[in-house]
Amino acid sequence: DADVTQTPRNRITKTGKRIMLECSQTKGHDRMYWYRQDPGLGLRLIYYSFDVKDINKGEISDGYSVSRQAQAKFSLSLESAIPNQTALYFCATSDPYPSEPGLTSETQYFGPGTRLLVL
Amino acid sequence: RKEVEQDPGPFNVPEGATVAFNCTYSNSASQSFFWYRQDCRKEPKLLMSVYSSGNEDGRFTAQLNRASQYISLLIRDSKLSDSATYLCVVPYSGGSNYKLTFGKGTLLTVNP
Repeated sequence: DADVTQTPRNRITKTGKRIMLECSQTKGHDRMYWYRQDPGLGLRLIYYSFDVKDINKGEISDGYSVSRQAQAKFSLSLESAIPNQTALYFCATSDPYPSEPGLTSETQYFGPGTRLLVL
Repeated sequence: RKEVEQDPGPFNVPEGATVAFNCTYSNSASQSFFWYRQDCRKEPKLLMSVYSSGNEDGRFTAQLNRASQYISLLIRDSKLSDSATYLCVVPYSGGSNYKLTFGKGTLLTVNP
């Protein structure tokens, strides 16, 4: 079974609709993230959470909200979808580890992605 | 200088070739760096990390030049299965701020 799962995998919706993308992980990581990927723009961070009570905006949070229901669950909502939110959305988790003396690093583990089309 | 900038590509190379990608970053405070691999329509996956001067894993070598603020990825003896997009990733954590910046990626196609 996949460690990081996303539902739905594909979604078509209409402008103005509210939709929710869900992410679950079995890795036991505290840190979770939501990204969107657009052709030519790369991956951009929407929101991130370092534990259940922590929510932080990323670089493109406008038009989105998130909820961290539990350590294992992090959902992303589009309150009123618009066509320029059409993108591939990835959830990710990470767990910091000591990589070298005095240095902490982390590996991000991504879910399979959700393809969203807003008409 | 952009936060993270990669060779635009695409790179088309024959099997067995050696290919190198470069990535420059603007934040001199960044301490760790990563290369991720992303197959078409799939999620990114960690390929290599580099913290000090470099890291080698089989046919893959990642090098870091802090003075010039760039990292590179070298692939030797390219295989068809190396065809993918390679993403340069530079994290930055300072105080209460956290940021992970992905490059736009470099597309590699290895041809028979």
